[in-house]
Amino acid sequence: QVQLQESGPGLVEPSGTLSLTCAVSGGSISNNNWWGWVRQSPRKGLEWIGEIFYSGNTNYNPSLESRVTISIETSKNQFSLSLRSVTAADTALYYCTRVRYGGSEFYFVDWGQGTLVTASP
Amino acid sequence: SYELTQPPSVSVSPGQTARITCSGDSLPNKFAYWYQQKSGQAPVLVIYEDNKRPSGIPERFSGSSSGTMATLTISGAQVEDEADYYCYSTDSSGNHRVFGGGTKLTVL
Repeated sequence: QVQLQESGPGLVEPSGTLSLTCAVSGGSISNNNWWGWVRQSPRKGLEWIGEIFYSGNTNYNPSLESRVTISIETSKNQFSLSLRSVTAADTALYYCTRVRYGGSEFYFVDWGQGTLVTASP
Repeated sequence: SYELTQPPSVSVSPGQTARITCSGDSLPNKFAYWYQQKSGQAPVLVIYEDNKRPSGIPERFSGSSSGTMATLTISGAQVEDEADYYCYSTDSSGNHRVFGGGTKLTVL
């Protein structure tokens, strides 16, 4: 079981860009896995954001796709989330996850502890 | 958009069986997954692909799915099972992956 640790600013100004990084330990990020992000807020509950394969292929939530980029740095064993044009509605606890593809569906196997990001002036 | 519906709360006494349901139109064709989230902690996968249990999850946790409803069953619930439980699944297109609103399980 890998360990995941999120890092990044806890405060982002409205209209700015949210940037988070997830460091993976206890295994290689290139080990045929998908890596993703999920957020949680009182308003919307748990919400899937997207994921990336070690080769760079990505899937995004259609409702966020226009504002989201997930990237990966295999040399550093980490992956990142960028969310542009943030509003108060993006205030949430952001989790990075290891994502498994079961042949027909994706699901979240391991989770980081989460990092709170607040969109506020 | 696709939605999964759970009851807001379920309450049982220790040793009783707790059943938490999740309804969704695509569940006849898509798997259900269940996550346990204790206060202040990240979610933990307890059931995947309707009825499979990850290693380390106690045998008292089981899952089933029939038609448009999936069920998480905790046989002989214990006080430490108190948590929020979320179902997760995908719509028929596979493009919309959603969590249910969560069910707060009280064991007392």
